[in-house]
Order: sequence, then C-alpha cells, then structure tokens
Amino acid sequence: AQKVTQAQTEISVVEKEDVTLDCVYETRDTTYYLFWYKQPPSGELVFLIRRNSFDEQNEISGRYSWNFQKSTSSFNFTITASQVVDSAVYFCALQSFAGAQKLVFGQGTRLTINP
Amino acid sequence: GAVVSQHPSWVICKSGTSVKIECRSLDFQATTMFWYRQFPKQSLMLMATSNEGSKATYEQGVEKDKFLINHASLTLSTLTVTSAHPEDSSFYICSAYSGRGEDTQYFGPGTRLTVL
Repeated sequence: AQKVTQAQTEISVVEKEDVTLDCVYETRDTTYYLFWYKQPPSGELVFLIRRNSFDEQNEISGRYSWNFQKSTSSFNFTITASQVVDSAVYFCALQSFAGAQKLVFGQGTRLTINP
Repeated sequence: GAVVSQHPSWVICKSGTSVKIECRSLDFQATTMFWYRQFPKQSLMLMATSNEGSKATYEQGVEKDKFLINHASLTLSTLTVTSAHPEDSSFYICSAYSGRGEDTQYFGPGTRLTVL
C-alpha cells in the first residue's frame, strides 16, 4: 500500500525565515512520481513540482527547493526567505509511474508566515 | 497549459435534494478523470476514478448509489450527490488526465457543497 506522511500539521514562522516542510513516503513500486502542491485559502490546488523516482537530483526554483532522498524515502520542501504570500496548506503526494494512477496525498502542512 | 474547470464553484442545497457537479477539460481530451473529496482541514481523499465510456471505479467506503459519476465524453465528467445530507458537505475537486504520455493530473478549482 502507498502512504505519504507529513508529520508537521502546522508551522508558523516570521517572514524572511527559511522553512522546511517534511514529506516521507512508502511504496512498493520501483518507479513512481512525487509531487508537491500548494493550496491557498481559495482552495484551488497549485502544482509546484513533480519528481521521478529515478531522478534524485535536488531542484531549485527561485525561493523554493526540493531535496529528494530515496534512501530515506523523503521528499522535503524548503522555502527560503519566506513571504506572507507563501501562507497556505502544502500537500505532498505520491503516484505510481505507469498510466493514470491515483494520487495519494499526505495530510498536509498548514504554513503561516507572519509579518 | 491544460485547464480544468468545475461548475458550480459553490452550491448550497437542502437536505434530501440531489446536486450535480461538472468537471470539464477545456483544452485537452481527458481519458481519465478523478474525483476527490476534502473535508475542512483535512487532506484530499480519492472517491472514484472515471474513465470515458465505462463505469467509474469507486474507492472502498464510497457509496456508488449516492455518488453517481458519469464520464460521457472525453471532456466532461459529472458527479451527482444524490439525496444529499449535511454530512456530505465538503469540498469536491476533480482532476483530469490526458493520457498523452504526461503522467500529471490537472486539477479543477473545486466545488464547495453545503447541505443545510
């Protein structure tokens, strides 16, 4: 069975601080995708990143960076120099590689950036 | 990019009535669509997988007769909540999968259902 665990239910930091959101997953598949989504108060899911299981290179996109470590089954997300607009719920998700497979979401981490 | 719309964006209905939610892929054909439900402050839970021209596959614990799914065309899937009750109040989100070799689902903006 596939499972995604986001142990941090809520995180609150002051603006400009760096913050890391943890994601640990379980799967028996050898190939899979990992995702991060942002859900602002409006409710719409915003796609942030997709990572293939065979690509362990870390990725940086502006203030966002992702650390994928297959050895520990983790796919952590770091926001550098956080801003109030980063406040949202962030979901980590897992999907089997082949075909139109369902996404398994973690419980989500509610991030609040205080001015 | 791939755009998915949902209609209505919000709906309030009386207990016992049925509500239909539409999910449309606007600029691509979706061979598969997924319906998720999200209760307040909780994660998204998959309800069912909808394939065009065939019956939907429901997740364990989801009542087929209560949540009717129809995927009549490659651009439209509908979710009908029959005889809605207050406990069905939730945020319903659909996603669409193009099947063009991209293994990414595109999400709609969601529909907030409130049953009085």
